[in-house]
Amino acid sequence: DSGVTQTPKHLITATGQRVTLRCSPRSGDLSVYWYQQSLDQGLQFLIQYYNGEERAKGNILERFSAQQFPDLHSELNLSSLELGDSALYFCASSVAGTSVDNEQFFGPGTRLTVL
Amino acid sequence: DAKTTQPPSMDCAEGRAANLPCNHSTISGNEYVYWYRQIHSQGPQYIIHGLKNNETNEMASLIITEDRKSSTLILPHATLRDTAVYYCIVRRLQTGANNLFFGTGTRLTVIP
Repeated sequence: DSGVTQTPKHLITATGQRVTLRCSPRSGDLSVYWYQQSLDQGLQFLIQYYNGEERAKGNILERFSAQQFPDLHSELNLSSLELGDSALYFCASSVAGTSVDNEQFFGPGTRLTVL
Repeated sequence: DAKTTQPPSMDCAEGRAANLPCNHSTISGNEYVYWYRQIHSQGPQYIIHGLKNNETNEMASLIITEDRKSSTLILPHATLRDTAVYYCIVRRLQTGANNLFFGTGTRLTVIP
């Protein structure tokens, strides 16, 4: 158990819909990262937040957005869903945002299926 | 961040050492080598990292060549629970960012 929690574990929805994935980082961790893992694209970094502020952006679509709240939990919002958005979405957390010694702890993921 | 090259798959007998190679010939002086693994759709798990010296922890050893162009992750006594995809990641310290770029990794299968 990494200490990172993600809800829901599974999510099935239809094309065109909007969903919200939630992540609670380990106690004391200030950084939250979101990753997407699909069969054809592998594990891809989407976005990082550090203490409530966006810190880095990866291959995140404009239809996707995220935020980190004052209690440090984070939500990833996916809208106008397409079949290709079906994937595992992982959240990770780390103590800080820039130290190279920052090990990232990953949650169990949310499996999104778009029908 | 430097690109890494790993064999797509490897087998290892249970109880034997698993040696997973990684090539990172374009690595820069300020880039670290990280290893993570992912056990069947679970979240990736940190294993070890190093800059230029060999490193060892309770999970594995990391051997980095003197020219730093390649490294080897060693699992000293592989068990069936070590069956996973192992990712070698080269990453430099970036101001304001700490994200990981995963490649395709090596699928290690530990055989009974």
